[in-house]
Amino acid sequence: QQQVKQSPQSLIVQKGGISIINCAYENTAFDYFPWYQQFPGKGPALLIAIRPDVSEKKEGRFTISFNKSAKQFSLHIMDSQPGDSATYFCAAGDNFNKFYFGSGTKLNVKP
Amino acid sequence: NAGVTQTPKFQVLKTGQSMTLQCAQDMNHEYMSWYRQDPGMGLRLIHYSVGAGITDQGEVPNGYNVSRSTTEDFPLRLLSAAPSQTSVYFCASSLPGGASAFFGQGTRLTVV
Repeated sequence: QQQVKQSPQSLIVQKGGISIINCAYENTAFDYFPWYQQFPGKGPALLIAIRPDVSEKKEGRFTISFNKSAKQFSLHIMDSQPGDSATYFCAAGDNFNKFYFGSGTKLNVKP
Repeated sequence: NAGVTQTPKFQVLKTGQSMTLQCAQDMNHEYMSWYRQDPGMGLRLIHYSVGAGITDQGEVPNGYNVSRSTTEDFPLRLLSAAPSQTSVYFCASSLPGGASAFFGQGTRLTVV
């Protein structure tokens, strides 16, 4: 059973548009929710992260929205750029930093 | 800053062979872990360690062994390689207490 469900699988956005990726989890023991960005042939790199006591976190063009009661969280990329084209993974972690990852979203930002 | 270093980057094994994937970190992180990445499945946790001498199983531990004799190193051993172990393997390290993991560049393993 997949612990973290992520959608959509792929996303095409025009330059300057908003990219939105959604994730849902079941285990209420999770207490840390990072998003990772991965380029082909590279390891995942931390983009932004949030804890469940916060409903929103913004860093530059990237925003996480967190709904604890619904057990859902999402990544919004404002003013999407071609350089943002990559695969994005949401994850949920416990207090041992064991992370459970979503299946990934391949984002393509068209110029 | 080296961060998390994995070797080798690429490896081809024959079914039944054994090998060790190396992982070293220079950030003095207590926590280390191994993941495998397969198409459409994200990353899945194989084994993890919360400190030297302490290891435990993750989601998909079968066919893999680990040990942690130092803070810096966390090797992953494949005892008898199978085609189902063809994957990209990532090592990660982190500080304790709900901190983000830093990943290496990965080892692409093909078992034929």
